Amino acid sequence: KNEVEQSPQNLTAQEGEFITINCSYSVGISALHWLQQHPGGGIVSLFMLSSGKKKHGRLIATINIQEKHSSLHITASHPRDSAVYICAVREIGDDKIIFGKGTRLHILP
Amino acid sequence: GAVVSQHPSWVICKSGTSVKIECRSLDFQATTMFWYRQFPKQSLMLMATSNEGSKATYEQGVEKDKFLINHASLTLSTLTVTSAHPEDSSFYICSAEVAGRETQYFGPGTRLLVL
Repeated sequence: KNEVEQSPQNLTAQEGEFITINCSYSVGISALHWLQQHPGGGIVSLFMLSSGKKKHGRLIATINIQEKHSSLHITASHPRDSAVYICAVREIGDDKIIFGKGTRLHILP
Repeated sequence: GAVVSQHPSWVICKSGTSVKIECRSLDFQATTMFWYRQFPKQSLMLMATSNEGSKATYEQGVEKDKFLINHASLTLSTLTVTSAHPEDSSFYICSAEVAGRETQYFGPGTRLLVL
């Protein structure tokens, strides 16, 4: 059974801080997603990774396939980054995506 | 590009009524659509996977007669919650995928409250 573990579960930081959210999984995957869910529920897909590193604006996502680990970084965090960040993986040979429980991020002004 | 819409965004209904939720891919053809449910402060849980023109595949524990899924075209899938009960109150999210691409595009979700 593929488990997706995220840490921390909750994170409160001051505006401007560098944020790191971690995701670990237990089986071979074909892709890993980082999603953002704002209060009210809407989900936005931030990144899809199968190797290496991707950057979009202040967001950076990295993945280490050998260690079965991914990180999402936010530079110069801002209160509007406050949301739940969800890691999700697709196991090799399966259509389904398995979601982590999410990390609730709160950036204080 | 790759926008997925859901309608309605929220709905309140009486216990025993049926509610239909639409999921549309606005600018692409989705070969596969997924329906998820999310209870407060919990992770998204996959309910079913539907491919255009074929019957949906339901996850274990999801009643197919209660949650009717129709994927009539490459841009539209519907989820009907039949004889809704208060315990069906939840946030329902769809996502859509194009064959060969391992990215799912998520809809904004539909919040259902059954009184």
